[in-house]
Amino acid sequence: QQQVKQSPQSLIVQKGGIPIINCAYENTAFDYFPWYQQFPGKGPALLIAIRPDVSEKKEGRFTISFNKSAKQFSLHIMDSQPGDSATYFCAAGLNEKLTFGTGTRLTIIP
Amino acid sequence: SAVISQKPSRDICQRGTSLTIQCQVDSQVTMMFWYRQQPGQSLTLIATANQGSEATYESGFVIDKFPISRPNLTFSTLTVSNMSPEDSSIYLCSVAFGGVGVEAFFGQGTRLTVV
Repeated sequence: QQQVKQSPQSLIVQKGGIPIINCAYENTAFDYFPWYQQFPGKGPALLIAIRPDVSEKKEGRFTISFNKSAKQFSLHIMDSQPGDSATYFCAAGLNEKLTFGTGTRLTIIP
Repeated sequence: SAVISQKPSRDICQRGTSLTIQCQVDSQVTMMFWYRQQPGQSLTLIATANQGSEATYESGFVIDKFPISRPNLTFSTLTVSNMSPEDSSIYLCSVAFGGVGVEAFFGQGTRLTVV
């Protein structure tokens, strides 16, 4: 079964710190790696995504690092803010289907 | 982007009954997806619904339990049939725009509690 493993399960970071969330996948056919942010009571919202031919992508305070040979990718949040407190999901896409990681509950404390 | 509206947003249902969840999209899309998110857990794909064809179900999900309709390019329904407490979850509708990437958008979800 295709899996995407995500860690840590939860993370507490002080405001201004750089939380890092890691994901690993198995199926080398995956060709799209998005990150989703989910607030309580809301559906997931696309945050940033990367294709496997790129090693890094930055959008605002969010950066994805991608290591194709290791089959790993990670999300970094620069200058984190309390408003970034949410659950973050990595995913891997193939043929418009997404396989999600298990989620990371991030708390940014003032 | 896409705006996706789901109804109902939440419901409490009796064991053994069925609930139909509606998903309306503000633009025409080829593929719509239904996910389940159990409390505090990740999202699991239930099925893919293409207009004009039968839905494709993922392993562990069957049409008799989760019948899906896709009458046009902007609307779909998911029915959760003969419900049990184990069906208590958030059900999410999603659309994806293919081509270069798999940019998927989600509705706000339907929180279902079965008692």
